Amino acid sequence: AQSVTQPDIHITVSEGASLELRCNYSYGATPYLFWYVQSPGQGLQLLLKYFSGDTLVQGIKGFEAEFKRSQSSFNLRKPSVHWSDAAEYFCAVGAQGFQKLVFGTGTRLLVSP
Amino acid sequence: DGGITQSPKYLFRKEGQNVTLSCEQNLNHDAMYWYRQDPGQGLRLIYYSQIVNDFQKGDIAEGYSVSREKKESFPLTVTSAQKNPTAFYLCASSEGRSSEAFFGQGTRLTVV
Repeated sequence: AQSVTQPDIHITVSEGASLELRCNYSYGATPYLFWYVQSPGQGLQLLLKYFSGDTLVQGIKGFEAEFKRSQSSFNLRKPSVHWSDAAEYFCAVGAQGFQKLVFGTGTRLLVSP
Repeated sequence: DGGITQSPKYLFRKEGQNVTLSCEQNLNHDAMYWYRQDPGQGLRLIYYSQIVNDFQKGDIAEGYSVSREKKESFPLTVTSAQKNPTAFYLCASSEGRSSEAFFGQGTRLTVV
């Protein structure tokens, strides 16, 4: 069965420091991978996506993620975190065509001054 | 602007009452979804629809019902059979060529 694991429930990072959020997936077909961000009480906004090609993908707000097939991972990174990045981040896996997204349980990012 | 509109943003109902959450999209997407979000549990799929007049149960469909009479609309009814209806509900849509989903702003339902 398809699944997504985000092992960190909470992460606290100092403003200006680098960030890496972990995501591991289990998916039988060729995966389409996504990172979404959610501010409190809001919907989810797409940060970036990977379908094929270059395994390092760039997204909005200075985020990037790297697809590593051998490790079944799609970790999200940002070189310098801003206080406005504090939110909950969800990793999700899907596929080509009509396929439901499977979400991880999310990682809440706290940014300290 | 194209997007997904959920209404209302906040909804209060008494226990035992049915309540309907609205979801409208003007993205011309074929597929629409309803998710439930509870703290620490991520997003759980309630129902989804790939095409008008057709829908399928997701992982937690018990106590919920949906309809898809128009491409743009996918309302969710939370019935009195749902044991713990208080939650944040998210509607989403996708083109169907990929899994990429676009989300509404959510409806927070509180049952008292």
